[in-house]
Amino acid sequence: DADVTQTPRNRITKTGKRIMLECSQTKGHDRMYWYRQDPGLGLRLIYYSFDVKDINKGEISDGYSVSRQAQAKFSLSLESAIPNQTALYFCATSDPHMDSGANVLTFGAGSRLTVL
Amino acid sequence: GENVEQHPSTLSVQEGDSAVIKCTYSDSASNYFPWYKQELGKGPQLIIDIRSNVGEKKDQRIAVTLNKTAKHFSLHITETQPEDSAVYFCAASMGSSASKIIFGSGTRLSIRP
Repeated sequence: DADVTQTPRNRITKTGKRIMLECSQTKGHDRMYWYRQDPGLGLRLIYYSFDVKDINKGEISDGYSVSRQAQAKFSLSLESAIPNQTALYFCATSDPHMDSGANVLTFGAGSRLTVL
Repeated sequence: GENVEQHPSTLSVQEGDSAVIKCTYSDSASNYFPWYKQELGKGPQLIIDIRSNVGEKKDQRIAVTLNKTAKHFSLHITETQPEDSAVYFCAASMGSSASKIIFGSGTRLSIRP
């Protein structure tokens, strides 16, 4: 089984619909992230969470919300989807090494969302 | 905040030749610079990283160089092979406690047979 599992892998929806993307991990990491990937724009951070009680906005949080249901679960919601939210969404986890300064992200396989 | 620029956006090289991807960052406080490789249909995966206290790091055919004065770092792939075809992302952050890892826009590398 994958360390970071995203569901659904593909979703087509209509403008105005509520959508939830789910992420679960078996890494045992405290930190979880949601990124959005658009062609030519790289990976942009939507929200991140350092533990169950810690939720923080990233670069592009408008129009999105998140829920950290447990250490292993972090879901992303689009309350009212719009076409420019069509993108590839990635969940990631990390367990930073305080001594070395490294902070390696482990990504899921992605959830492709199309909003018509 | 930190901004990372990456060039080129696409790169095509002959199999066996070398490939170089360059990135610049804006925040002089950044001290951790990872590179990720994204194969088709998969999430990005770390291939190499470098801390600001070293100027170069190698791992087999892959090397990364860092110039802190100029605030730029580069990925070098030698003796390219078909399996090197992928999208590569550079990134920058301020150490392990950093809340954000800021990514470049990506380079699509194609290896011609």
